[in-house]
Amino acid sequence: SQQGEEDPQALSIQEGENATMNCSYKTSINNLQWYRQNSGRGLVHLILIRSNEREKHSGRLRVTLDTSKKSSSLLITASRAADTASYFCANYGGSQGNLIFGKGTKLSVKP
Amino acid sequence: KAGVTQTPRYLIKTRGQQVTLSCSPISGHRSVSWYQQTPGQGLQFLFEYFSETQRNKGNFPGRFSGRQFSNSRSEMNVSTLELGDSALYLCASSLGQGRPTGELFFGEGSRLTVL
Repeated sequence: SQQGEEDPQALSIQEGENATMNCSYKTSINNLQWYRQNSGRGLVHLILIRSNEREKHSGRLRVTLDTSKKSSSLLITASRAADTASYFCANYGGSQGNLIFGKGTKLSVKP
Repeated sequence: KAGVTQTPRYLIKTRGQQVTLSCSPISGHRSVSWYQQTPGQGLQFLFEYFSETQRNKGNFPGRFSGRQFSNSRSEMNVSTLELGDSALYLCASSLGQGRPTGELFFGEGSRLTVL
């Protein structure tokens, strides 16, 4: 399957703690992205990391990319209750050229 | 700038019926992609349209079809509905001059329940 594998499937932390999610693909990595989805809503783009980048920051978000392992990680620092959502990685790798999503990590941040 | 608009937001159908979902992309965006989201399969790519042409298609049966109009608005249709078609259908748009390589902008989705 071209679908990304995300780990963990669910993560529960306290406010103020850091949250780390991982994602891996069997296909090549091409413009890997992370999206957030609040329950039952649409997806919101968080950050894109290109294949020639190793690390990227955006506010409290830090994304790393290891193209040799075909994997990426998303770190959310100093989590807030409002960060509670599902987080998906997405990759343009694959034969059809469309964006292929991982299965998501459900993050719960307790106040 | 208005975001991606999907209608209807919620609908309930019975097996065997058909359904049409609508998506209005962000102004200026010419590429529209459709995804099906279910708890078991996650986000699955349905198809992508650009300039009224289907440019890309996922692995769904022929009951799933779509089209795009000259104003870039898109519709998808599911005929002969099955229970397993119950899902959140998400539409996303992008500038799409070439094949999509960047960010997709998603609508809030249409929640379809098949009874």
